[in-house]
Amino acid sequence: GQNIDQPTEMTATEGAIVQINCTYQTSGFNGLFWYQQHAGEAPTFLSYNVLDGLEEKGRFSSFLSRSKGYSYLLLKELQMKDSASYLCAPRRHSNYQLIWGAGTKLIIKP
Amino acid sequence: EAQVTQNPRYLITVTGKKLTVTCSQNMNHEYMSWYRQDPGLGLRQIYYSMNVEVTDKGDVPEGYKVSRKEKRNFPLILESPSPNQTSLYFCASSTGTGGREETQYFGPGTRLLVL
Repeated sequence: GQNIDQPTEMTATEGAIVQINCTYQTSGFNGLFWYQQHAGEAPTFLSYNVLDGLEEKGRFSSFLSRSKGYSYLLLKELQMKDSASYLCAPRRHSNYQLIWGAGTKLIIKP
Repeated sequence: EAQVTQNPRYLITVTGKKLTVTCSQNMNHEYMSWYRQDPGLGLRQIYYSMNVEVTDKGDVPEGYKVSRKEKRNFPLILESPSPNQTSLYFCASSTGTGGREETQYFGPGTRLLVL
């Protein structure tokens, strides 16, 4: 199978930091996307890691280890508007197909 | 403005009545894709296209057709819709190069209800 594992739901406090983990099988994948999706809206692109290591982009950072099939999304200085689902999607090397996790619903509390 | 557009945004139809959902992108992207999203499930790919006249099945292609006659357009066709095709549909496009600057853009979504 191609299990993409993310926590179903997480809760964090405004102003804090949260890390959302994603694990996947390593075979045949090259690169991984993170998307944000507010309820009823289209996913919006956050990051794409094609190399191992940490990519920082403002309040959001994403890490990838291809050999371990592991990625995380780090959100700093959380704001109420960050309440959304966060989708992890490794990309298959052969046909560029993205395999999507079910997403992590992040709830931000004041 | 770089964008992916879909039409219609909302559609209510009846079983068996053929329908087409259009998708268009203005970024000259080679790779386009259709997804459906259902509560509790991740995005599931229906069909994808790596270039003009090149299409292939995704994970859930049954009951759907696509065409890619020109680079910018990638319509999704339901020849005989059934209630289990009630869903939220997204079109997406990307450069498809796989490089460091790869970015995938999504359309706003089409909410379909089949009665």
